[in-house]
Amino acid sequence: EVQLLESGGRLVQPGGSLRLSCAASGFIFSEYWMTWVRQAPGKGLEWVANIKEDGSVKFSVDSLKGRFIISRDNANSIVFLEMDRLTGEDTGMYYCARGSDPDHWGQGTLVTVSS
Amino acid sequence: QSVLTQPPSVSEAPGHGVTISCSGSGSNIGNHGVNWYQQLPGEAPKLLIYYDTLLPSGVSDRFSGSKSGTSASLAISGLQSEDEADYYCAAWDDGLNGYVFGTGTKVTV
Repeated sequence: EVQLLESGGRLVQPGGSLRLSCAASGFIFSEYWMTWVRQAPGKGLEWVANIKEDGSVKFSVDSLKGRFIISRDNANSIVFLEMDRLTGEDTGMYYCARGSDPDHWGQGTLVTVSS
Repeated sequence: QSVLTQPPSVSEAPGHGVTISCSGSGSNIGNHGVNWYQQLPGEAPKLLIYYDTLLPSGVSDRFSGSKSGTSASLAISGLQSEDEADYYCAAWDDGLNGYVFGTGTKVTV
């Protein structure tokens, strides 16, 4: 069974940084692109970034480039999202998902940016 | 601002059917497969339709997808109360070099 477990979300002050993790199991992690998607409270889904199987190719939404960086550790089946210079607009649920066209999703980790 | 446009809401009585539209362009729907996701209240999204028309294992055949040109549609037949959810279309966009989601449609039964 495919499982994706996000962690790392918490309350952080504006201007702060955070690293989210997503531990994967139930499939051969190194054979799949991985994706991060976020959802602000009461809003729709927003694609954040994805990363190729071997980490050699990464795409991210233009508005977040330079602040959010996706990476992966295939040895431990984990995908990360490093987030910098956080603002209130970054508040929301962050989901990791399998594939460049995501099929399986985790339950999400909540990031709250507030003073 | 999403590049895939959906109606904000649709409502229909139990047992009836609804169709949700998703309008895009040649750089997304016109050139790539469309996925549909269902998000029940308080839950993570779930894949409902992939590659325009295909159902993942375990998804009810009351759901069906179609595509024509730069638009796609999700049809739900025999509506049930458990179908009340938000539904999102999505596709890769060549111009943005990213995956784009639709604006989302709330289905009320």
